[in-house]
Amino acid sequence: NAGVTQTPKFRILKIGQSMTLQCTQDMNHNYMYWYRQDPGMGLKLIYYSVGAGITDKGEVPNGYNVSRSTTEDFPLRLELAAPSQTSVYFCASSYNRGLGEQPQHFGDGTRLSIL
Amino acid sequence: AQKVTQAQTEISVVEKEDVTLDCVYETRDTTYYLFWYKQPPSGELVFLIRRNSFDEQNEISGRYSWNFQKSTSSFNFTITASQVVDSAVYFCAFLMNRDDKIIFGKGTRLHILP
Repeated sequence: NAGVTQTPKFRILKIGQSMTLQCTQDMNHNYMYWYRQDPGMGLKLIYYSVGAGITDKGEVPNGYNVSRSTTEDFPLRLELAAPSQTSVYFCASSYNRGLGEQPQHFGDGTRLSIL
Repeated sequence: AQKVTQAQTEISVVEKEDVTLDCVYETRDTTYYLFWYKQPPSGELVFLIRRNSFDEQNEISGRYSWNFQKSTSSFNFTITASQVVDSAVYFCAFLMNRDDKIIFGKGTRLHILP
């Protein structure tokens, strides 16, 4: 079982560049999430999706875009990278809302630096 | 608004000591869920436990135990006989029943010294 797979694991971008962080899960989970974790801080929700074709903003969506064309994939797009987006990005999935039945499963993270 | 507070930013204890990580939450909802996650130095997030608001039974899993008290809005986590491998950042998290978004605390960094 691969679980939640994120690529790449590390990336350095120049200011103004764009890139897509990939996230895929093989557990047939409906719910998927993108978080960022700044140094010494907790997780902040960027975007989430409750199913294919549906996405919603989280706490810190500015500067990011997402799409959910399939159940498996939930890519996160940075259009104009800014130094404030330097962070570790985590993708997560859960069968439902990650409540009593199923917790959220997290990927290993993508460490992104914007220089 | 819902909020999760982990007041302890960083804790250091000597191996074999017991340690308790505090988590206090704020909500007006009666139905909600609480979680603890572990983030070891390797960076991944590992699910530890989930509790719903109607189940105040304390839970023990090996050296880990959790104390859920609605009267004080707390969901504390105790590690008994700590080991160096317990060194990690621990996150408490909260989810309202009617919401889709889990709210995470800022985490407590735990150092277990040999």
